[in-house]
Amino acid sequence: DQQVKQNSPSLSVQEGRISILNCDYTNSMFDYFLWYKKYPAEGPTFLISISSIKDKNEDGRFTVFLNKSAKHLSLHIVPSQPGDSAVYFCAASLSGGYNKLIFGAGTRLAVHP
Amino acid sequence: GAVVSQHPSRVICKSGTSVKIECRSLDFQATTMFWYRQFPKQSLMLMATSNEGSKATYEQGVEKDKFLINHASLTLSTLTVTSAHPEDSSFYICSASIGKQTGAGYTFGSGTRLTVV
Repeated sequence: DQQVKQNSPSLSVQEGRISILNCDYTNSMFDYFLWYKKYPAEGPTFLISISSIKDKNEDGRFTVFLNKSAKHLSLHIVPSQPGDSAVYFCAASLSGGYNKLIFGAGTRLAVHP
Repeated sequence: GAVVSQHPSRVICKSGTSVKIECRSLDFQATTMFWYRQFPKQSLMLMATSNEGSKATYEQGVEKDKFLINHASLTLSTLTVTSAHPEDSSFYICSASIGKQTGAGYTFGSGTRLTVV
């Protein structure tokens, strides 16, 4: 049973435009959500997170939106840069910081000039 | 910031042998460590959660006698793949929790590529 889903395996965006990566979850008890960027043969790198008490968190070019009623979150990257090309994982946790992370399947983002 | 050092980065072993993967927290005490496995083009699947000084909690479907986890100190956790078989070939990643509800509360190692031949 996949509790965290990323239904788009890949996304291609032109440099300078907005990248929107989506994530859905099924467990309403999740209270903390994170986005990670990952390159092959490396560990994930933390990008941005959001607590369930918020609906938006922004950090530079990265913004995460949370819609609890729809059990949906999204990561916006604007403007997109070629260096953003990687696989992006959405993750969720119960009582974040203490409990395990449940990851989505990932979305491969390609930003082309 | 909190850093987790994972070794080796890649290992090739013969079928039937055992392989040990180490994760060390360099500048903090990791009371909880998580071990993940990632198959090509798939998600990171949690294998087990280990707390310092106690037995690891394994996820459903993960053989605890095959994947031995030791978390004997606050700075070191090890995963031993016993009697490895080709189907155990995968990318293994550890993660440490520093107990804060922030993104930096989870720190990942750089991963170990295991190939069993």
